[in-house]
Amino acid sequence: KQEVTQIPAALSVPEGENLVLNCSFTDSAIYNLQWFRQDPGKGLTSLLLIQSSQREQTSGRLNASLDKSSGRSTLYIAASQPGDSATYLCAVRPVGAQKLVFGQGTRLTINP
Amino acid sequence: NAGVMQNPRHLVRRRGQEARLRCSPMKGHSHVYWYRQLPEEGLKFMVYLQKENIIDESGMPKERFSAEFPKEGPSILRIQQVVRGDSAAYFCASSPLSGEASNYGYTFGSGTRLTVV
Repeated sequence: KQEVTQIPAALSVPEGENLVLNCSFTDSAIYNLQWFRQDPGKGLTSLLLIQSSQREQTSGRLNASLDKSSGRSTLYIAASQPGDSATYLCAVRPVGAQKLVFGQGTRLTINP
Repeated sequence: NAGVMQNPRHLVRRRGQEARLRCSPMKGHSHVYWYRQLPEEGLKFMVYLQKENIIDESGMPKERFSAEFPKEGPSILRIQQVVRGDSAAYFCASSPLSGEASNYGYTFGSGTRLTVV
């Protein structure tokens, strides 16, 4: 059974810092891994999608890496801003399944 | 492109009433997925549907919950005789009809927040 874990559960950093969020999964048989952002009381916004054959994806100040063999992904946020404050969710799509398996999320706070 | 549309955004029901949640997928998407997010928990898969077919309902509670995706109209998640423990955010996602299995991500709606009083 695929399980996804995100560490830390919460993170608070000063504005301007670079930071890394971690995601680990127990079964390397995945189609892809997706990072989402969720603002309080809102829906999910897709940030980055990494296919199983890829090592990383970049979008603006965000960079996501994938090491499928070790079951790990990281989301790197450069030059953090208060507007980056949100919960970040990692989800994998297991091979043979149409559904996503989510981690519990990391609640990020960027202090001005 | 309007994205995935869910309504209502907020729904309040008394214990024992029925709740109906609606989801219209993105244009061109014929695969719909429902997820539930309980307070302070992650999203959990409930059910996957294609038009007129339930493909995977392994995450659905065995009683009181049902889902449909008719040929015409939105997908409906129906909860009968709601209890306080059903209070949660319910999210719908959609994905394209075709394409390599690994090539697409999911687009989520804004969710319906159900409160049972």
